[in-house]
Parts: sequence; C-alpha cells; structure tokens
Amino acid sequence: AQSVTQLGSHVSVSEGALVLLRCNYSSSVPPYLFWYVQYPNQGLQLLLKYTSAATLVKGINGFEAEFKKSETSFHLTKPSAHMSDAAEYFCAVRTSGGGADGLTFGKGTHLIIQP
Amino acid sequence: DAGITQSPRHKVTETGTPVTLRCHQTENHRYMYWYRQDPGHGLRLIHYSYGVKDTDKGEVSDGYSVSRSKTEDFLLTLESATSSQTSVYFCAISDTTSGGTGELFFGEGSRLTVL
Repeated sequence: AQSVTQLGSHVSVSEGALVLLRCNYSSSVPPYLFWYVQYPNQGLQLLLKYTSAATLVKGINGFEAEFKKSETSFHLTKPSAHMSDAAEYFCAVRTSGGGADGLTFGKGTHLIIQP
Repeated sequence: DAGITQSPRHKVTETGTPVTLRCHQTENHRYMYWYRQDPGHGLRLIHYSYGVKDTDKGEVSDGYSVSRSKTEDFLLTLESATSSQTSVYFCAISDTTSGGTGELFFGEGSRLTVL
C-alpha cells in the first residue's frame, strides 16, 4: 500500500529564508506525487505534481520539488519565504496504479513565517 | 477554480441524528470523493465514486454511507451521528481526461460538529 510521511508537523522560518518541507513516500507502483496547500478555512489547492516526467517540478507561488527515487523523497522548497506562504501543506501519493481510488495524504505540515 | 459546491458549509447537530452532506460539481468529472480532515491525521478517504451508482469504501468508511444518482451530485450520509464524526469534510473530484494523473480538485469543506 502507498503511504506518505511528512517530517515535522510544524516548521517555522523567517521571512526571506529558505523553506524546506520534507516528504517521504512508500509506493509499490511508480509513484505519482503531489503537494497541496491549504489556507485557513479553505479547501486544498494543488501546488505541484510529479508524474514521471522531469524530476524537478516547478509549481505555483515559487515552490518547487525534486523527486529522488533513491531516497524515496519529494521535498518541497522555496528559496525565499513570504508572509503569505503561511499555511498547511500536504504531500500526497496516488493510492493505486489506476488512480481511481484517490490520493493518500500525509498528516500535513503547518508552515509558520516569522517576520 | 473547479466548480465544486458543498452544502451545508457549517452544521451543528446532536448525537444520534442523521446528517447528509451534499457535493455538487459542474465539471462532469467521473470520479468523486469524500475525505475527512482531523488534526494530526491529515485527510482520510471515507468513500469514493467511479460513476453513477458506483461507489466503494475508503479507509474510514464505518458509520458513513454515500449515494450518487447523478454525475454531478455525491451525497455523504451519517445515519446516526456520533461525536467522533465531528470533523471537516471535503469533497473532491478527479478529471480522468488529464492523463490519468489522479490530481484531485477540492471543494471548500463542510464543518460538522456533533454535540
């Protein structure tokens, strides 16, 4: 079964500093991986996705993630944090090869931006 | 934004009462999902649908039932609500024509409190 582990339920960085949110996955099939962001009292919005093309994936709002098969990782980064990046971030993997049964999510990382 | 509407957005009910949450989509997508979000657990799949009248159980389906009589509507029913079902419920849809990536599009959520 596919699973996702997000290291750190809370991450705090200073405005302008590097953002690094960690995600490790376990998958018995070639993985399709996703990062979603959730702002307070809103639904989830797709940041970026890996679908077996380029291993470095660029997303919205300056975020990017690198797929590393040898490390089973898909960490999310942003060179310079902005106050507006404060939100909950979820890593997810497609639950099965066919994709019909949705995504399996990590428990989330709350990103705090210090002024 | 994907055309997904959840109703009601907020509901307070008492233990033992039935509750129905509705998800309506205008995207004509085949797949629809109900997730619940709880602190420390991320999002967990309750039920999903792969077509009209075709549904299947997810990870946390006990105490929930679903129905899909039309492509655009997916109902989640709690036959007899319990306090453990206090949560935020998200509907999601999936576009099967986007290369089968499994990307989900989310509604705004329905916050349910069971007293």
